[in-house]
Amino acid sequence: EADIYQTPRYLVIGTGKKITLECSQTMGHDKMYWYQQDPGMELHLIHYSYGVNSTEKGDLSSESTVSRIRTEHFPLTLESARPSHTSQYLCASSNTRGGYGYTFGSGTRLTVV
Amino acid sequence: GIQVEQSPPDLILQEGANSTLRCNFSDSVNNLQWFHQNPWGQLINLFYIPSGTKQNGRLSATTVATERYSLLYISSSQTTDSGVYFCAVALQAGTALIFGKGTTLSVSS
Repeated sequence: EADIYQTPRYLVIGTGKKITLECSQTMGHDKMYWYQQDPGMELHLIHYSYGVNSTEKGDLSSESTVSRIRTEHFPLTLESARPSHTSQYLCASSNTRGGYGYTFGSGTRLTVV
Repeated sequence: GIQVEQSPPDLILQEGANSTLRCNFSDSVNNLQWFHQNPWGQLINLFYIPSGTKQNGRLSATTVATERYSLLYISSSQTTDSGVYFCAVALQAGTALIFGKGTTLSVSS
């Protein structure tokens, strides 16, 4: 079944560690996005990509990087995790030819101790 | 940047009641979507509705682009409707969405 997958689902790590959050989709969507959401709050755009080798920063992109080497894969990397990075990270995709509706993954809940 | 305001921020209903959620936006948009986030955090796309009216079962949505607002109607609410409803917009159809703060709906039996 075509879907969008995020791993890990939960992650607890120590301050200063480098981490990569994985996001993959099997729907053939050309556009992918990363959002950050604190509990009960709005979603903030971190990074987005409109195609392979195309990435842009959102409003809240500091201290993280992304890559888009393959259409289906859009990983998010934190070079040095801090307690302020504790949050939920949501990946989404959409298709130019499919009506632009977003599909979200289940999210990664990150805790930095 | 574009501003998205949702109202009311919180809504408490008895099962079977109807409700209307509102989304106001500050600029002309070519992409507007409604989402439901369930209590486990999963976001589900309800409607892609930059203009006009759509219906899906007990849910319907209307966007009046010229007046910069959209409405989400929930009829005969059920406990499974509980969660947070987000409105999100973009100036152009294929660009990244900006989200409002959401309306938290609680439906009790």
